[in-house]
Amino acid sequence: DGGITQSPKYLFRKEGQNVTLSCEQNLNHDAMYWYRQDPGQGLRLIYYSQIVNDFQKGDIAEGYSVSREKKESFPLTVTSAQKNPTAFYLCASSTSSGGSSYEQYFGPGTRLTVT
Amino acid sequence: AQSVTQLDSHVSVSEGTPVLLRCNYSSSYSPSLFWYVQHPNKGLQLLLKYTSAATLVKGINGFEAEFKKSETSFHLTKPSAHMSDAAEYFCVVSGGAAGNKLTFGGGTRVLVKP
Repeated sequence: DGGITQSPKYLFRKEGQNVTLSCEQNLNHDAMYWYRQDPGQGLRLIYYSQIVNDFQKGDIAEGYSVSREKKESFPLTVTSAQKNPTAFYLCASSTSSGGSSYEQYFGPGTRLTVT
Repeated sequence: AQSVTQLDSHVSVSEGTPVLLRCNYSSSYSPSLFWYVQHPNKGLQLLLKYTSAATLVKGINGFEAEFKKSETSFHLTKPSAHMSDAAEYFCVVSGGAAGNKLTFGGGTRVLVKP
């Protein structure tokens, strides 16, 4: 069964702690993305990676970090520097990094709550 | 820069009646346009996409959208709403200098009344 998995579905952390969200895909996609979704808003791009060992900042990268050591995996770390980390986080992937017509496939999301 | 405006934040329809979700975009290039659906606490699922082929695009679950360049619009329609259509819908644009980066509209939440 091909797809994108994100774990865990729900995550709770205390303020000041770093937390890492997992994203794995078995679609053999080159490009992977992390988005943040806040209530009543569209998605905002945090980081993206077009190829292994390379990634770029999106629109709201401050307070986040990523790595892309394997094609299948693109973990996101929410650091203590992120001022408002509570949100729904979505990972996505796409076939190609070079064309605008390739749709992105989304994982089921991780809801992070920081208190 | 490109942008997307979804003209209605909420739409309420009765089951069996038509659904219309409005989307206007701004792009300096010929864009690719997408509609995604999101059910509560789930990821996004692609409904349909426009990539400079036919201007009337048919998608899954009976949805379709028409690309109108002169009006910079990409409205989503369905002739007869079903209870399972209750969800949030996002209009999305990509292309040009942004490459494959997606720009999302704010979303339209659809309520279907029995």
